[in-house]
Amino acid sequence: EPEVTQTPSHQVTQMGQEVILRCVPISNHLYFYWYRQILGQKVEFLVSFYNNEISEKSEIFDDQFSVERPDGSNFTLKIRSTKLEDSAMYFCASSEGTGNQPQHFGDGTRLSIL
Amino acid sequence: QKEVEQNSGPLSVPEGAIASLNCTYSDRGSQSFFWYRQYSGKSPELIMFIYSNGDKEDGRFTAQLNKASQYVSLLIRDSQPSDSATYLCAVPRNTGFQKLVFGTGTRLLVSP
Repeated sequence: EPEVTQTPSHQVTQMGQEVILRCVPISNHLYFYWYRQILGQKVEFLVSFYNNEISEKSEIFDDQFSVERPDGSNFTLKIRSTKLEDSAMYFCASSEGTGNQPQHFGDGTRLSIL
Repeated sequence: QKEVEQNSGPLSVPEGAIASLNCTYSDRGSQSFFWYRQYSGKSPELIMFIYSNGDKEDGRFTAQLNKASQYVSLLIRDSQPSDSATYLCAVPRNTGFQKLVFGTGTRLLVSP
């Protein structure tokens, strides 16, 4: 069964450093998403991406965050200058469409900021 | 009022029993509803989705939707210890239908 893959599984970074999280969505999916989950809290939407541009973003997704689809398969989340409060699990998801189409999640990247 | 509300639990049931998990939502315009299972330290795994009022069955799982009362539930029949996990209810936001809003999840414990 096709799946969303994410790398790395765990990233440890010093505060203030840039970090790039990588995702390969399911190949025939057109919509891509990033979510995060701080330990013990609920899953929160960050951003959705369609047709090579951001279609929706949350208030969490400020100027420190950016997303890119550099080629036909990868989808990346960049955090420019990490803060301690960025420590969380980051999940990439993809779907064939919106609304009634389910979103399928990758295994996540655990980001630890020191 | 929270957009998607779930009892955090834990809900404890013995092996073989029926587990009933509930979720209420605030947006009357919501059209689709998703249940994800999340094991500790893992990612959300889609187990059921429902669009129409009534019941939808898939194996041991049944999703129930009542749009008039704005609740959706998940029944797990013949619960197994391997079903012990947190069950997340998720609803796409009406605007754009892209942002999934998650509840806090209900932790289910199935004892042997």
